[in-house]
Amino acid sequence: EPEVTQTPSHQVTQMGQEVILRCVPISNHLYFYWYRQILGQKVEFLVSFYNNEISEKSEIFDDQFSVERPDGSNFTLKIRSTKLEDSAMYFCASSETKGVRGDGYTFGSGTRLTVV
Amino acid sequence: SQQGEEDPQALSIQEGENATMNCSYKTSINNLQWYRQNSGRGLVHLILIRSNEREKHSGRLRVTLDTSKKSSSLLITASRAADTASYFCATVHAYITSGTYKYIFGTGTRLKVLA
Repeated sequence: EPEVTQTPSHQVTQMGQEVILRCVPISNHLYFYWYRQILGQKVEFLVSFYNNEISEKSEIFDDQFSVERPDGSNFTLKIRSTKLEDSAMYFCASSETKGVRGDGYTFGSGTRLTVV
Repeated sequence: SQQGEEDPQALSIQEGENATMNCSYKTSINNLQWYRQNSGRGLVHLILIRSNEREKHSGRLRVTLDTSKKSSSLLITASRAADTASYFCATVHAYITSGTYKYIFGTGTRLKVLA
């Protein structure tokens, strides 16, 4: 079964450093997403991306965050200057369609980001 | 307002017993999904139930949906120690402008199955 692949599985970074989280969505999917889960809390939507631009973003997704599809396969989330509160599990997801029926949305296994 | 709140927040049962988790939501939905997450790990999709369905089964899982009460339940029968995990419901929120959608997750139920 096709998978969304995220690397690395765990990343530790110094506060103030830039970090890039990488995702390889399912190959025929067109819509890409990032979600975040602070430890012990809910999974929260960050951003959706389609046709090389952001479709929607949440209030969490401020100027410190950016997303990019640098080539035909990768989808990245960059945090410019990490803060302690950015420590969380970050999930990438992709979907084939944008329809409101909500199926066909596949999550990756996540990258645990620890800011020290 | 919270969309997708599970109860109980935590549930501890003996192996072999059934576990029931509930999810309530506030707005109308097209479907509702249940996910499982082992401690600190990724999200595993368990089951999707559409708004025109009332019940769905998958192995030892049974999901019900009551759209009039805006609630869903997940039943795990004959639980095993390996079922120990957090379970989340998720509903879809559609963005009218872009036509894209996001999942809104509940707060989760932490299930512990004791051997």
